[in-house]
Formats: sequence, structure tokens, C-alpha cells
Amino acid sequence: QVQLVQSGAEVKKPGASVKVSCKASGYTFTGYYIHWVRQAPGQGLEWMGWINSNSGGTNYAQNLQGRVTMTRDTSISTAYMELSRLRSDDTAVYYCARDLTGGVMDVWGQGTTVTVSS
Amino acid sequence: DIQMTQSPSSLSVSVGDRVTITCQASQGISNYLNWYQQKPGKAPQLLIYDASNLETGVPSRFSGSGSGTDFTFTISGLQPEDIATYYCQHYDYFRPLYSFGQGTRLEIK
Repeated sequence: QVQLVQSGAEVKKPGASVKVSCKASGYTFTGYYIHWVRQAPGQGLEWMGWINSNSGGTNYAQNLQGRVTMTRDTSISTAYMELSRLRSDDTAVYYCARDLTGGVMDVWGQGTTVTVSS
Repeated sequence: DIQMTQSPSSLSVSVGDRVTITCQASQGISNYLNWYQQKPGKAPQLLIYDASNLETGVPSRFSGSGSGTDFTFTISGLQPEDIATYYCQHYDYFRPLYSFGQGTRLEIK
């Protein structure tokens, strides 16, 4: 079945970087964009950006420009999201999601908890 | 940027109720509006896409309507498993940017 499986929880210190992976299975990885969405504790959903799994092209939310990098490895059907210069307010659950078409996020990963604490 | 205003932020409901949630865009967005359900500790799940299309496998008690700036999400006959938080989400085709509403949390009365 179609699924996205994310890497495990991370604990990082302020100023460090974190890289979260999202492995796709059950469909042609290069046929769909992958979005990254995060959710701070008790808060709503925040879109972070997307990567074109075929070309590697990216589009990032303006408030994360310069700190977020999205990449992919087509040989292992895996997308990555790296966030640098971490701050305490980056503490959140990070989700990857497949873009079915036109911004419709039809399949989601299970989420990765990233905790930023000194 | 287009702003999405979702209301109400929370709703106290009973099993069997008809539940209505609205999402208003600051400018016309055609039908680029999706609805998601999120249960505690779980990833969001797509319910409705392009304002009114039911995702495969989603029960028919869920429905969506609207176009332009005003959108409505309805649960016709709330079931216990529908207790969750619901989000609208807009896709700005020309930017391209994506934004979620603030969410509506359903609670049992």
C-alpha cells in the first residue's frame, strides 16, 4: 500500500541542525511532490515547503527561507528535510505528505517529533 | 497573501448532530480548498478535496461545498469516531503557497 515512513524522534540543542527523512513506498516516488508540514505542541498546522521528487526543485515558506533545505534521493525513494540554526520554537512534530495534485495532500507520514532544548 | 479564517475554533457536539464548519478566504480562491481531520497524536487525514470531492474511503456523512471566498464543511450525523480537529487548507496556484485554517476542535457535550 501507499505509505510514507519517517525517521525517529530527535532531540537537539539550540543552534544545531536536524535532518528528517521520509521514505515512500507503494507508488512511483518521482511522480509526486512531497510537502513538509509542522505542528508545534497544541498548535495548528504550518506548511514548510515542497520538493519536486523528480527534478529536485523546491519551494519554501517565506518565514523559513535560509534555514530549511529539502532534498531527495530517488534511488531509495526518500525525501529529506533539514532545518538549521534550530530555536526552541522549532520544537514540533514534522510531517511529510504526498501531493496528489494541486496542493491536495493525500498520504501523510506518521510524524517525527523534534525537540529543541538546551 | 491570502488569509484563511476558519470558524468556530471549537464546538461542543453530541452524537447524531449535524456539524458545520466554515472557512473564509480573504479573496477568491476558486475551489482550491481541502479539508482534513486530525485525531490526537495522529497525522492529518484528507477528507474533502477541491471544495466538494469526497476522498476515496471517506464516509458519505462528510461533505464540503463552496467556491470563491466562502466554504462549508458538514458532518451529517456525528459519530463518536468523528471527535477530532478539522482543518481547511488552501492552495494558491499562482504563488504557489499553501495555508491551513486555524482548526476546529470538536468536543463531546
